Amino acid sequence: NAGVTQTPKFQVLKTGQSMTLQCAQDMNHEYMSWYRQDPGMGLRLIHYSVGAGITDQGEVPNGYNVSRSTTEDFPLRLLSAAPSQTSVYFCASRVGRGIYEQYFGPGTRLTVT
Amino acid sequence: AQTVTQSQPEMSVQEAETVTLSCTYDTSENNYYLFWYKQPPSRQMILVIRQEAYKQQNATENRFSVNFQKAAKSFSLKISDSQLGDTAMYFCAFMKQDNNNDMRFGAGTRLTVKP
Repeated sequence: NAGVTQTPKFQVLKTGQSMTLQCAQDMNHEYMSWYRQDPGMGLRLIHYSVGAGITDQGEVPNGYNVSRSTTEDFPLRLLSAAPSQTSVYFCASRVGRGIYEQYFGPGTRLTVT
Repeated sequence: AQTVTQSQPEMSVQEAETVTLSCTYDTSENNYYLFWYKQPPSRQMILVIRQEAYKQQNATENRFSVNFQKAAKSFSLKISDSQLGDTAMYFCAFMKQDNNNDMRFGAGTRLTVKP
């Protein structure tokens, strides 16, 4: 199993550009999440999904969209990038209800200039 | 909303010694889970240990153990026989026992193990 994979590893965007961060897992996990990590802060939840076709907002959802058309994939879209979205983004997955251990991807470092 | 506080931004310990990292949390929930994650310079988040709130017995994983005080809402991590490879950021995290997927993290403690 590859676990949780994220692409790209690094990305530089200009203000106003859009892009999609990719996340995939091959463990047949039901739950998936996106977090951002800023300096001096822990990870903060952006959006999450409890199954294909089901998504919900986390703590800091503004400026981001998600969808979950398959169990394996959970892309994160930045519609119009802003410097405040400069961060490291982590995707995570877990088996499902009642199983609380999360597996994290390697992260994507995004810089918005 | 649940909050997690790690009051020690940085700590250091000599190799082979023992160190304790502190974590407190605020919640009105009775059923929840607590975690310690390690983040080495590679940036990968690695689960160190997990504690279910309904269990009175403190969790242990080899050199890692926790002191879980539910009434005090405290969840400290003890690392025994510290090794150079333990150098990393350590994050305390909280998750309610429900159908959501909202895990809350503390700001982290940077631990340096000195030779």
